[in-house]
Amino acid sequence: DAGITQSPRHKVTETGTPVTLRCHQTENHRYMYWYRQDPGHGLRLIHYSYGVKDTDKGEVSDGYSVSRSKTEDFLLTLESATSSQTSVYFCAISESAGATQETQYFGPGTRLLVL
Amino acid sequence: AQSVSQHNHHVILSEAASLELGCNYSYGGTVNLFWYVQYPGQHLQLLLKYFSGDPLVKGIKGFEAEFIKSKFSFNLRKPSVQWSDTAEYFCAVNDHPLGMRFGAGTRLTVKP
Repeated sequence: DAGITQSPRHKVTETGTPVTLRCHQTENHRYMYWYRQDPGHGLRLIHYSYGVKDTDKGEVSDGYSVSRSKTEDFLLTLESATSSQTSVYFCAISESAGATQETQYFGPGTRLLVL
Repeated sequence: AQSVSQHNHHVILSEAASLELGCNYSYGGTVNLFWYVQYPGQHLQLLLKYFSGDPLVKGIKGFEAEFIKSKFSFNLRKPSVQWSDTAEYFCAVNDHPLGMRFGAGTRLTVKP
C-alpha cells in the first residue's frame, strides 16, 4: 500500500463549525486529490493539487477549501460544516498526471458526521 | 467531462459462481481505465488497470477485465468467486486533470 495516512479517521461535529482534514503522504508524489464518497455516487473529486501551493477545484468544491504548503501534506477544510457534507472523505496521490500512465492510490478515509 | 456507468448496483452470487460486472464509459478517445475494490470498512485498492496494448487485462486475486473499444466497455470478470470477494467494486476512467471519474459502484455479496 502507498504511504498515505489521513487524520482524523472519524469525526463528529456540529453544523456551522469549521473542520480540517489532513492527508499525509510519504511517497513524495506531486499530485494529491480529495474525494468524497456517498452512496449511489461513487467517489467525486472535491479539489486537487499539482504541486506545493498549486490547487484547483474539482466537481463538488462548493463549501470546501484546500491548502498544500508542503509536498507531503494536503489539507481539506470545511469552512462551515453542513449536514450535506456528512460523508467519507478519501485522499489520493499519484506520481504523474496526464492522459497516460497515471494511477491513483487511496488513503484509508475519514468518516465525517455533521449533526 | 467523461462519465462512467456501472449497470449493476447490487449483485448476489453463491460461491464458485462466475462474475461479470458491467462498466461503460463515455469518452471516445484514448482512455485509461481502472477497477478498484473496497472491502467493508476499508479504502479503495487497485484491482487492475488498462492503458494500452492487450485488451484483456489480468489483475490481482484472479480478476480480469476486457477493454472493448467499439462498445465503450471495460467489464470485470472472475471465473469463480469466493466469500472473501464480498466488497464494492468501482470502475473508473482517468479524467485528467480532474482526477478519476468513478462509476456509482457495484456491491457484490457472495453467499458461502
